[in-house]
Amino acid sequence: NAGVTQTPKFQVLKTGQSMTLQCAQDMNHNSMYWYRQDPGMGLRLIYYSASEGTTDKGEVPNGYNVSRLNKREFSLRLESAAPSQTSVYFCASSARLGAETQYFGPGTRLLVL
Amino acid sequence: SQKIEQNSEALNIQEGKTATLTCNYTNYSPAYLQWYRQDPGRGPVFLLLIRENEKEKRKERLKVTFDTTLKQSLFHITASQPADSATYLCAPEDNAGNMLTFGGGTRLMVKP
Repeated sequence: NAGVTQTPKFQVLKTGQSMTLQCAQDMNHNSMYWYRQDPGMGLRLIYYSASEGTTDKGEVPNGYNVSRLNKREFSLRLESAAPSQTSVYFCASSARLGAETQYFGPGTRLLVL
Repeated sequence: SQKIEQNSEALNIQEGKTATLTCNYTNYSPAYLQWYRQDPGRGPVFLLLIRENEKEKRKERLKVTFDTTLKQSLFHITASQPADSATYLCAPEDNAGNMLTFGGGTRLMVKP
C-alpha cells in the first residue's frame, strides 16, 4: 500500500517549457488535490477534484491545468512555466471533501529558470 | 477574507518540557480544524482533528484545544522529545465548508 505517489521528485525547467506532474493514490479515495508550498506562505490549493470526472479551481489556479484521469490519478500541467512557479508541489487525497484526513505525497521540487 | 495565523518564528524548547503552538483564525468560524506534522523534504502527515463542539482532543502525548470564542486552537506536546522536532501546520476548514486552509506552520525544535 504505497499511499500517494508523485513523479518526478525534482525537475528543472526553463521559462516557457511545459511539463506534467503525476500523482496516483491507491486508497480508493474520491477526492484529490494539488497544492504548492512556498517559504512562509503555507500550502496553497491550486486545483482539486471532488470525485472522478470533476475538477475545480482552488486559490491559485492561474498558469496550471489538471486532469483527473481516473479515480487513482490526478495530474497537474504547466503549459508555459514561469519563474514564479518555482515551488514544491504536493498532491493529496481524501476519502471525500469536507472534514476528512488528507494524505499527502512526498512532493515534487520544481525550479524554473 | 479568512486568515490563518501561526507563529512563523521557530519554537525552541528543552526535552521533557511541554511545547505549545498557537493557531489563530479571523473573519470566519470553522466547524473543524486539523493539525499536521511536516518533516523537511516530506509531505504533511495528519495528527488530529477537532470539531467546534469539542473543547479538547487527546492522542498519546498530543492535545489540541479549540476555543471558538477566542478563534484559536492550541496544540500541545507533553514530555517533548527531539524526535518531535518538525514543522506543525494548522488547517481549519475554509469558509465555504469544503476544503482545508493551511497556516504557514510553526517550526518546533526540541533540544536534548
